[in-house]
Amino acid sequence: EAQVTQNPRYLITVTGKKLTVTCSQNMNHEYMSWYRQDPGLGLRQIYYSMNVEVTDKGDVPEGYKVSRKEKRNFPLILESPSPNQTSLYFCASSPREESNTEAFFGQGTRLTVV
Amino acid sequence: RKEVEQDPGPFNVPEGATVAFNCTYSNSASQSFFWYRQDCRKEPKLLMSVYSSGNEDGRFTAQLNRASQYISLLIRDSKLSDSATYLCVVNFNDMRFGAGTRLTVKP
Repeated sequence: EAQVTQNPRYLITVTGKKLTVTCSQNMNHEYMSWYRQDPGLGLRQIYYSMNVEVTDKGDVPEGYKVSRKEKRNFPLILESPSPNQTSLYFCASSPREESNTEAFFGQGTRLTVV
Repeated sequence: RKEVEQDPGPFNVPEGATVAFNCTYSNSASQSFFWYRQDCRKEPKLLMSVYSSGNEDGRFTAQLNRASQYISLLIRDSKLSDSATYLCVVNFNDMRFGAGTRLTVKP
């Protein structure tokens, strides 16, 4: 089954404790991205990757890091989480060579930083 | 100005009603357009792409007006199961999402 898998689905952590949210897709998609969703603000892009070893900042990259060592994986790293990073996070992937194609989303990670 | 702006909502309609959402975008070079549906606390899923000539999928009709830079979604004969948030998405190199419009269909 074609899918994007995020883990964990729910996470409560304390300020400053490094964490990683994993994202994996099995569709051989080149393009992957991370979003955060906050009430009234919609989905805002954090980082995106157009291919292996190619990553770039989105609209709200501060406080986040990513890596793309393999095509299927695109982890999101919070080196020192803060309460303002409490949010719902989504990973997405899509084929890069066609612009008019569907983006597939993971099920989301609800992060609370206390 | 936001890159993608949607009707603020929420829309509360009775079953069977027809409801329309609009969305405007700022980048005239945008290449592709979509409507996504998002159920509460779940991931967005593609509802339909939007083509220049307009397109229909059952009770759903999407239209694009490039000159005025807006897209629309019309839902006819609303069902309870249509209750969700509808996201307008515009693609120019990467996807830009509207904040979403919440629809509640009531019995």
